[in-house]
Amino acid sequence: DTAVSQTPKYLVTQMGNDKSIKCEQNLGHDTMYWYKQDSKKFLKIMFSYNNKELIINETVPNRFSPKSPDKAHLNLHINSLELGDSAVYFCASSQVVGSGRLSYEQYFGPGTRLTVT
Amino acid sequence: AQTVTQSQPEMSVQEAETVTLSCTYDTSESDYYLFWYKQPPSRQMILVIRQEAYKQQNATENRFSVNFQKAAKSFSLKISDSQLGDAAMYFCAYTTGANSKLTFGKGITLSVRP
Repeated sequence: DTAVSQTPKYLVTQMGNDKSIKCEQNLGHDTMYWYKQDSKKFLKIMFSYNNKELIINETVPNRFSPKSPDKAHLNLHINSLELGDSAVYFCASSQVVGSGRLSYEQYFGPGTRLTVT
Repeated sequence: AQTVTQSQPEMSVQEAETVTLSCTYDTSESDYYLFWYKQPPSRQMILVIRQEAYKQQNATENRFSVNFQKAAKSFSLKISDSQLGDAAMYFCAYTTGANSKLTFGKGITLSVRP
């Protein structure tokens, strides 16, 4: 019944490693997002995909590469991890195309706490 | 650029009392959407309430209601009959809609005293 799921929920790794976070939504939404929540709890958009097409890339280092194999999945791959990448990463989804007036609320996954040592 | 400001970092309320969390935003758009999200210690982001800017009526969801003042660009959240489970971080967020990101405020930590 989980609407937006992420794996793993916790990820501990060493500097320089490459890691991936997976996200899946079963809400039938057409748009998915990655947000980063830093140590001060500030949330900021990283990427957005609409029907597998990248539509937002918010000045994120190119070590971060999102991939959307279909509109229900959005994965985040991070190369050469750095200490500053330690954060909670949230996946979210919303419906932005449809008949009638939409409200554009975004539904979030449980988050992935990434710790780089 | 759109900005969202939550100037109070922390608030405290007695159980069963009412508390209001403040939020202001800056935008040049006329059509947009505002939200309050709750983040308990579990870190799950939970949608509390939404407000469409084109609607004049303030949104309500059970014990949660908003005071939306479009001209003043203010969007406060009122929690009535506060419960221990309301203790969490609350984020105000803004979007212009289709394909658009959520812009968040810095959040406010609400504690509920028994």
